[in-house]
Amino acid sequence: QVQLVQSGADVKKPGASVEVSCKASGYSFNRESIHWVRQAPGQRPEWLGCINTGNGDTKYSQKFQGRVTMTGDTTATTVYMELRSLTSEDTAVYYCAREWAYDFWSPYLGGLDTIDPFDMWGQGTMVTVSS
Amino acid sequence: DIQMTQSPSSLSASVGDRVTITCRASQTINRHLNWYQQKDGKAPNLLIYAVSNLQTGVPPRFSGSGSGTDFTLTINSLQPEDFATYFCQQSFSTPRTFGQGTKLDIK
Repeated sequence: QVQLVQSGADVKKPGASVEVSCKASGYSFNRESIHWVRQAPGQRPEWLGCINTGNGDTKYSQKFQGRVTMTGDTTATTVYMELRSLTSEDTAVYYCAREWAYDFWSPYLGGLDTIDPFDMWGQGTMVTVSS
Repeated sequence: DIQMTQSPSSLSASVGDRVTITCRASQTINRHLNWYQQKDGKAPNLLIYAVSNLQTGVPPRFSGSGSGTDFTLTINSLQPEDFATYFCQQSFSTPRTFGQGTKLDIK
């Protein structure tokens, strides 16, 4: 079964770090990048960054640069997201999501273009930061 | 960063109605616009990619249109399972950004 399964909910104190894992199964792990998105209650999803599972390259949102690290273990087909120096504003559900490339005809290019939405998501991990 | 703005923020409708949700990007995103549906307590689910392409398994009552910076999601003949929150998202550049969401509930 093609799926992403995340680690369970966690409660942390301000200033601590949290690591969330995301295990992929049912597809070729090294092909598609995995992104991390968080969503605070009643808010829009917010992108944290992504990891290329093929070569380990990462790209982080400037907002989280220096505070987030994403790593991957190809043997375990698992990616990890660590967020440090937590505050109450980091309380949210954290999702991993697979990027999938689709080709489409672009009138702007006059030919094929590629788009990579998030076609599969983990179930989410609630991270609560509270003293 | 590209800002995504949706309207309305909430919408009440009845089963069988046709509804339209709009999404505006702060700059041209060359059709790199996706729509997701999210139900309470669940992860978002991809509905439409590249403005108008239905993800596999999405019923044809969903459709998308638009160009440049202005896009719409239309749901024809609303079904009970369609009552949810809908987000647009641009995948033209990082950071990937989402609209604030449109909550569709039963009138």
